[in-house]
Amino acid sequence: RKEVEQDPGPFNVPEGATVAFNCTYSNSASQSFFWYRQDCRKEPKLLMSVYSSGNEDGRFTAQLNRASQYISLLIRDSKLSDSATYLCVVKIGTGGGNKLTFGTGTQLKVEL
Amino acid sequence: DTGVSQDPRHKITKRGQNVTFRCDPISEHNRLYWYRQTLGQGPEFLTYFQNEAQLEKSRLLSDRFSAERPKGSFSTLEIQRTEQGDSAMYLCASSTTRQGGNTIYFGEGSWLTVV
Repeated sequence: RKEVEQDPGPFNVPEGATVAFNCTYSNSASQSFFWYRQDCRKEPKLLMSVYSSGNEDGRFTAQLNRASQYISLLIRDSKLSDSATYLCVVKIGTGGGNKLTFGTGTQLKVEL
Repeated sequence: DTGVSQDPRHKITKRGQNVTFRCDPISEHNRLYWYRQTLGQGPEFLTYFQNEAQLEKSRLLSDRFSAERPKGSFSTLEIQRTEQGDSAMYLCASSTTRQGGNTIYFGEGSWLTVV
């Protein structure tokens, strides 16, 4: 079983739609959680951290359920520029540097 | 540009040849990481350094791979006797242990194609 699992997609949605991505992680020692965005043939870039209380950044809302080991990302009013791969990322433990474990990514295509 | 820089950005090599990638982290970032990403997969951790010390190596880092960071600044990743399965994007990232420095920043990656 992979440490971080995501539906690879692709999710094809019309502009303005709301889309949700889910992710599960297997290691209960995971301490920190993130969503990264990766454009085609580019490096991953941090989209947002995910906190237990849930957090929002503009059109993006992230949720964490530690009991279920489940992370979600909601994108409202999607834009063409949101088309990318969204990577669910966890950091296991509090020590050992910032070694991150990535999911395979969920591909989003926003269409006119 | 004061971000993480990697060189070369693209490398095509014949099977069996050695290749070396260089990474220059963000200035004053004392942690440096190497990841590998193949098509359709997320990045996979290879190794990381704190200053010049290599503190962790993944099982993915076979004997043919070696990483160094001799002066605690730039790092090199060498792959000896390349195989077709080594074809991937090699990503370098850096971070700082200073308070509030939990974010890691990736370079644009070095693409390797082994033919």
